[in-house]
Amino acid sequence: GIQVEQSPPDLILQEGANSTLRCNFSDSVNNLQWFHQNPWGQLINLFYIPSGTKQNGRLSATTVATERYSLLYISSSQTTDSGVYFCAVLSGGYNKLIFGAGTRLAVHP
Amino acid sequence: NAGVTQTPKFQVLKTGQSMTLQCAQDMNHEYMSWYRQDPGMGLRLIHYSVGAGITDQGEVPNGYNVSRSTTEDFPLRLLSAAPSQTSVYFCASSSRTVGGLETQYFGPGTRLLVL
Repeated sequence: GIQVEQSPPDLILQEGANSTLRCNFSDSVNNLQWFHQNPWGQLINLFYIPSGTKQNGRLSATTVATERYSLLYISSSQTTDSGVYFCAVLSGGYNKLIFGAGTRLAVHP
Repeated sequence: NAGVTQTPKFQVLKTGQSMTLQCAQDMNHEYMSWYRQDPGMGLRLIHYSVGAGITDQGEVPNGYNVSRSTTEDFPLRLLSAAPSQTSVYFCASSSRTVGGLETQYFGPGTRLLVL
């Protein structure tokens, strides 16, 4: 089945710093989503981005489907950005969402 | 809208006991799914449903049963709990299009401990 790899596994930032999270996938996909899991465990969808670039405030995401990767950019990080960031891709007849292992981000004041 | 709701929030079971995790959504979504999340790992798909009366297996279906009698509800049943099923369980729902699944909405999770 399709493999999803995220890097780096852990990231520590000072408040105000910028960062880039990467998601590589092993096969062509037609659906890619980014999620944030906050320290209380709640999962929030950040982007639905099968291709191209989207921006939402300080966050933006780019997916290059032909090269099988997606990037999540966080600018001017805040302590509330802490948590785990997951990417997930659609596989198996367009009904199975496969998650990467996540990038754990800690933003310190 | 309440979105996706899950009950209970926390449950302790003894090995061999059975239980049902409840999931409901009020967004009229066709697609619903169950995931488990273990420490240091991403979410793994257990079962999913593309509509009432239609279910299918995900990556890790063994030991779990599901049914979908209504659009709103998608319960997950543990037939005979094992310590390996200790995990956090998330339910999710979304619309579906020709291109696949739309934005996924997650419930708050159920933390299960099997002794």
